[in-house]
Amino acid sequence: GQNIDQPTEMTATEGAIVQINCTYQTSGFNGLFWYQQHAGEAPTFLSYNVLDGLEEKGRFSSFLSRSKGYSYLLLKELQMKDSASYLCAVRSSDTGGFKTIFGAGTRLFVKA
Amino acid sequence: EAGVTQSPTHLIKTRGQQATLRCSPISGHTSVYWYQQALGLGLQFLLWYDEGEERNRGNFPPRFSGRQFPNYSSELNVNALELEDSALYLCASSLGLTGSSYGYTFGSGTRLTVV
Repeated sequence: GQNIDQPTEMTATEGAIVQINCTYQTSGFNGLFWYQQHAGEAPTFLSYNVLDGLEEKGRFSSFLSRSKGYSYLLLKELQMKDSASYLCAVRSSDTGGFKTIFGAGTRLFVKA
Repeated sequence: EAGVTQSPTHLIKTRGQQATLRCSPISGHTSVYWYQQALGLGLQFLLWYDEGEERNRGNFPPRFSGRQFPNYSSELNVNALELEDSALYLCASSLGLTGSSYGYTFGSGTRLTVV
């Protein structure tokens, strides 16, 4: 089966850097995604990793290690508007085709 | 360009009734995905449609079903509603490319309440 683990909540200070970790177990790995979801809103796509290494996109970076089943999302220069849930999602292939499974999300609180 | 649109925004049904939720994907997207997000929980994968066919489904009972129309819009039907079906139902679309690096674009969801 598939399993995705990420911390339930994190708190960080405005202007700081925060790292949100995600570990996963799956067969047929086909990519890892990070999404941001503000309360009461739909998730929005942040990043995609399929090969090992770091992908940087502005203030956000995402890292993947396939051998360790591990990823992290790095947020730099935190802003109050970054307070949201961050969802780690893994796409894999199974007998039914591709499927993307989401973790329960990490609620990030940014304080002044 | 219009995003993913879902209707209705809110839906209140009585236990045992049927609910129909609708989704229109972004123009050019052929894949539609349905997820259930119960309060305080993560997104649970329900169904994936591509090119009019069901490609995969999650661990939900058969009373959760749907279809995709020739214009790629989709319907999710939930029969014999139970109280625990109360949740936000999110629809997402993407280009139907295997191994695509494109993430999903989500609609704003339908909030289903079963009383």
